[in-house]
Amino acid sequence: EAGVAQSPRYKIIEKRQSVAFWCNPISGHATLYWYQQILGQGPKLLIQFQNNGVVDDSQLPKDRFSAERLKGVDSTLKIQPAKLEDSAVYLCASSRGRAADTQYFGPGTRLTVL
Amino acid sequence: QKEVEQDPGPLSVPEGAIVSLNCTYSNSAFQYFMWYRQYSRKGPELLMYTYSSGNKEDGRFTAQVDKSSKYISLFIRDSQPSDSATYLCAMSGMNNNAGNMLTFGGGTRLMVKP
Repeated sequence: EAGVAQSPRYKIIEKRQSVAFWCNPISGHATLYWYQQILGQGPKLLIQFQNNGVVDDSQLPKDRFSAERLKGVDSTLKIQPAKLEDSAVYLCASSRGRAADTQYFGPGTRLTVL
Repeated sequence: QKEVEQDPGPLSVPEGAIVSLNCTYSNSAFQYFMWYRQYSRKGPELLMYTYSSGNKEDGRFTAQVDKSSKYISLFIRDSQPSDSATYLCAMSGMNNNAGNMLTFGGGTRLMVKP
């Protein structure tokens, strides 16, 4: 079974530029999560989707971050405009979609904002 | 005060030692407790998953949860150099129907020396 795929693996941009990350979850997984992991910290949940609907986005900085999962499979996370403090690893995870299911993580996209 | 506290380490032990990793938390609503292992430049992978209080053993790994003290532990027996990684505790309360909304600790970096 293929794991969670993410691209790009690395991205370097200047502040105020925009950037987008892509995630392809494990086949058949209904729930998809985006996390932000700042160096030396644990992952922080940004947004949770079930199929193509948002379950929770209470920790997503909506003035600059947006995410979508239009067909209930792949998802994109966008930052516009980026700030220095957005430098982090952005992790995507997926689960089958039932309460208490295991979350499987992708390798992450490492973003550096200069 | 963070909801989940974890000593960042690094923790350095000789090969074969018993390792004890711990987290404390403040939210009494947490019911699901997990330990993830994260190698450098990789996504977290689930090691242990426990519901409510008690012990759970899987090979060289034992997870303990003490809800009365709001304290969880992971023990690694006969530690190996391949166990060198960052260990993240994670927990959640009552889940929404789509899955767990996890709160992570900051991670403890473990180094097992041959």
